[in-house]
Amino acid sequence: AQTVTQSQPEMSVQEAETVTLSCTYDTSENNYYLFWYKQPPSRQMILVIRQEAYKQQNATENRFSVNFQKAAKSFSLKISDSQLGDTAMYFCAFMKHVGTSGSRLTFGEGTQLTVNP
Amino acid sequence: DAGITQSPRHKVTETGTPVTLRCHQTENHRYMYWYRQDPGHGLRLIHYSYGVKDTDKGEVSDGYSVSRSKTEDFLLTLESATSSQTSVYFCAISDLDNGPEAFFGQGTRLTVV
Repeated sequence: AQTVTQSQPEMSVQEAETVTLSCTYDTSENNYYLFWYKQPPSRQMILVIRQEAYKQQNATENRFSVNFQKAAKSFSLKISDSQLGDTAMYFCAFMKHVGTSGSRLTFGEGTQLTVNP
Repeated sequence: DAGITQSPRHKVTETGTPVTLRCHQTENHRYMYWYRQDPGHGLRLIHYSYGVKDTDKGEVSDGYSVSRSKTEDFLLTLESATSSQTSVYFCAISDLDNGPEAFFGQGTRLTVV
């Protein structure tokens, strides 16, 4: 079974600064996907970024980038130029390589990020 | 946004009563999922479906049942609600032809008193 751990329950950052959220996972799989989801106060789960384990290059999406360290089983999210709208709960999630079970996700506990003006 | 609608959005019910939550999608995605969200646990998979009438258990399935009689609808039933089932419930969908990502509904806040 897979486990995902987010060791930072809460974090805060000043507007326009950079913040990094940590995530570690445990798996015996070699092929898998990792995701970061954002949950603002509206409760909607929003996909932020995705990383395929077979890709060595770290994924980036505008101000969001990841540091994927496969050997260390680490998957951190860096948010650059933080904005007030980035205030949300962030979840790290693991998914085995797709198969008949589809996109079953294992989530971490979440990190509440607050961006201060 | 993916076309996923959960109903109801909020519900308060009494211990011991049956409750059914509905997830409706307009994306024709093959896979559908029910998760529950609790503080300190993130989201945990309750049940999922990989086709009409094809369902399987997730990690926290005790006390829940599901049904999928049509591609677009996935129902989650609490046969006899308990206070431990007070939670926020999310439906998600995916279709491997469109990538591995799962897309989520707006969530249903269920309170069992």
